[in-house]
Amino acid sequence: QSVLTQPPSVSGAPGQRVTISCTGSSSNIGAGYDVHWYQQLPGTAPKLLIYGNNNRPSGVPDRFSGSKSGTSASLAITGLQAEDEADYYCQSYDSSLGGWVFGGGTKLTVL
Amino acid sequence: EVQLVESGGGLVQPGGSLRLSCAASGFIVRSNYINWVRQAPGKGLEWVSLIFSDDSTFYADSVKGRFTISRDNSRNTLYLQMNSLRSEDTAVYYCARGYNYGDYWGQGALVTVSS
Repeated sequence: QSVLTQPPSVSGAPGQRVTISCTGSSSNIGAGYDVHWYQQLPGTAPKLLIYGNNNRPSGVPDRFSGSKSGTSASLAITGLQAEDEADYYCQSYDSSLGGWVFGGGTKLTVL
Repeated sequence: EVQLVESGGGLVQPGGSLRLSCAASGFIVRSNYINWVRQAPGKGLEWVSLIFSDDSTFYADSVKGRFTISRDNSRNTLYLQMNSLRSEDTAVYYCARGYNYGDYWGQGALVTVSS
């Protein structure tokens, strides 16, 4: 059971917009800790996609955006492309556990 | 260019030990925060351990007392010594640089605990 809660799967057609939610609690997201997002393509290591709730590392397309409110956060992907098909993980810090916490991951399928 | 390369994975019997290495290039390990994160087959990501630049170390409850994180500054390399291994420790182990988040990750090393 992951500390942060994500939907197991989402899907969308090419060109559409999808969102992935990430729900935490008062000891992590709700305590003010930032949320970060990773993309994991099949058989590869996670890649940082969004950091500090809504910042994109160099090279990440602006089709990817993040937001945070209260004890939840969201990742939005616009203009879906076939290469976006991957697993997506949210991550924050938990003060009661003393380390990073992750969501269970969301598998994005591009129809 | 920043790179992290893990090695040392393999098959080990329950109760056994294994040491993973994470060789860094493009930055100085002793000046950075480095984490170990693992991923069981078909499962999500789980944070394992963190070492600070001042040598402070932190562990997930699931590995506390069994795993030890350390580094060799002369080799610019991070280690994870894993003792008393259990079947539930079977996973791909990644090293990742960063304190709040992992900006660079290695390719991972597979550890299989089985008799």
